[in-house]
Amino acid sequence: SQQGEEDPQALSIQEGENATMNCSYKTSINNLQWYRQNSGRGLVHLILIRSNEREKHSGRLRVTLDTSKKSSSLLITASRAADTASYFCATARTGSARQLTFGSGTQLTVLP
Amino acid sequence: DGGITQSPKYLFRKEGQNVTLSCEQNLNHDAMYWYRQDPGQGLRLIYYSQIVNDFQKGDIAEGYSVSREKKESFPLTVTSAQKNPTAFYLCASSAGTGYQETQYFGPGTRLLVL
Repeated sequence: SQQGEEDPQALSIQEGENATMNCSYKTSINNLQWYRQNSGRGLVHLILIRSNEREKHSGRLRVTLDTSKKSSSLLITASRAADTASYFCATARTGSARQLTFGSGTQLTVLP
Repeated sequence: DGGITQSPKYLFRKEGQNVTLSCEQNLNHDAMYWYRQDPGQGLRLIYYSQIVNDFQKGDIAEGYSVSREKKESFPLTVTSAQKNPTAFYLCASSAGTGYQETQYFGPGTRLLVL
């Protein structure tokens, strides 16, 4: 089942702008992760935020988690054309931490 | 794509045929996973294995089978019982030692039906 749902489904911005993607989920979680997928390739892990954390940073990435609203957001600052990809959130449910449930993704296009 | 290899990159299946997708990792990871991705969709878990000689069904295991005879290898067989096998198949692994694990993905195999 698709626990995580990303919003928007597609996002197009100019290089240098910030990109924000949102993820909602349904059940209690152990952690939430964000992955990136270039077209036709495998996924690459970006960042993991634990259920007891509210915000996490990694380079140009900022992730927030609101467990009361069962939602997360991924912010990419100062976007580059190379950031063009699909971005997926994945949740590790409480009690089955190694099983990740992926959302349907946000397709980000950064225009040069 | 880290230390995970998948082969072949493209695979064609005829009606009624079983085909096997290869997944090998050299990361010394205990856990391995198979996912299916349909166009414009997220990933759905087919099977996963936490240790050699053990595996569990995921959300969409019907029509698929796996084996885990070696730590490094987790092949997926798409059987003739899988009526709609056309998809992108991704293999992943994780260390299998804790509860805050990330998964490392292979480059994928695209399966097409003739």
